[in-house]
Amino acid sequence: NAGVTQTPKFQVLKTGQSMTLQCAQDMNHEYMSWYRQDPGMGLRLIHYSVGAGITDQGEVPNGYNVSRSTTEDFPLRLLSAAPSQTSVYFCASSSEFLAGGRDTQYFGPGTRLTVL
Amino acid sequence: DAKTTQPNSMESNEEEPVHLPCNHSTISGTDYIHWYRQLPSQGPEYVIHGLTSNVNNRMASLAIAEDRKSSTLILHRATLRDAAVYYCILRSGNTPLVFGKGTRLSVIA
Repeated sequence: NAGVTQTPKFQVLKTGQSMTLQCAQDMNHEYMSWYRQDPGMGLRLIHYSVGAGITDQGEVPNGYNVSRSTTEDFPLRLLSAAPSQTSVYFCASSSEFLAGGRDTQYFGPGTRLTVL
Repeated sequence: DAKTTQPNSMESNEEEPVHLPCNHSTISGTDYIHWYRQLPSQGPEYVIHGLTSNVNNRMASLAIAEDRKSSTLILHRATLRDAAVYYCILRSGNTPLVFGKGTRLSVIA
């Protein structure tokens, strides 16, 4: 298994540009999520999904859109990039999210995004 | 969300045991105690979790206080590769992982 994969690894955008960060997992996990991590900070939850067709907002959803059309993929869209969105983005997945808090989550390697 | 309190940083000598503390005085009966770590320039990785009893796995041990208001992650022999930020997180129900600032562990050769 490749686990959780993220593309691209690095990206530089100009203010106002749009782009999609890709996240895929080959473990047939129902739960997937997106976090951002600013320098020297912990991770903050952007959006999450408990299955295909179901998404919900996390702590910092503004400026980001998600959709979940398949179990494997959970793309994160930036509609109009802003310098405040410069961060490292991590995707995660879990097979037992609805197991009452005992599941293990697997994280991707991250996408480092810079918005000029 | 139930809160956890961890020291900002700790230091250990290589090949010595490391005890990373976590306080969670407002823990509820259904909260699992999770530990994740984040190596430099990598995504977080799962370390261990427990509910009431102490737990051991190939990476670490988790010692949970009898009243569950604190726990300790134990690395039995720290190596340079264990230098990371360690996060103690409480989870119950169907709530996503919520990360605090964690403890930055430095390992000295």
